[in-house]
Amino acid sequence: GAVVSQHPSRVICKSGTSVKIECRSLDFQATTMFWYRQFPKQSLMLMATSNEGSKATYEQGVEKDKFLINHASLTLSTLTVTSAHPEDSSFYICSAPPGLVQETQYFGPGTRLLVL
Amino acid sequence: AQSVSQHNHHVILSEAASLELGCNYSYGGTVNLFWYVQYPGQHLQLLLKYFSGDPLVKGIKGFEAEFIKSKFSFNLRKPSVQWSDTAEYFCAVMRGNTGKLIFGQGTTLQVKP
Repeated sequence: GAVVSQHPSRVICKSGTSVKIECRSLDFQATTMFWYRQFPKQSLMLMATSNEGSKATYEQGVEKDKFLINHASLTLSTLTVTSAHPEDSSFYICSAPPGLVQETQYFGPGTRLLVL
Repeated sequence: AQSVSQHNHHVILSEAASLELGCNYSYGGTVNLFWYVQYPGQHLQLLLKYFSGDPLVKGIKGFEAEFIKSKFSFNLRKPSVQWSDTAEYFCAVMRGNTGKLIFGQGTTLQVKP
């Protein structure tokens, strides 16, 4: 089946630093990828839609300048958490559909971010 | 605002018991419906999905779900659970054909051997 990877799997950083998380589709091309955030014992919340070749679209309440998204190629999207603070600590998950966006999506394993 | 509600937060069953997890959504437009499972330490995997057609859909590992439009529901069922079904289950709704998923709160299923 289709595989989506994320790197790193976990990261610990100091408050005020920036952290980059990569999402790769390993065996298919994805013009669209999605970024979710999951708090402990809670559900996934959609943050933004990453579009190859154009700007990302963000969900209401998500700070564009805080969470920078770059869809550099058809197999790579990056999420950069800028000037991270402890409240940004969370589990970040990406997903990508191998075909049309309304079809099945494949999820990455997630990245655990801890900001000290 | 659109929302997805899963009624059961934590379910504990013995092996061979029947399972039904409730899922209701609030969205008046066209929806695509999904159930995802997250086994301990693993990523989300698709159990089953409903786009159109027969409202009773069958998924992997013996799971099925029924879409009842009048009730805005998409409940997940399995006649006989196994210990290996212990996992977190998420119901999700896709708004139209946007690709954007709205997830329910999740249900933790614990199956006792």
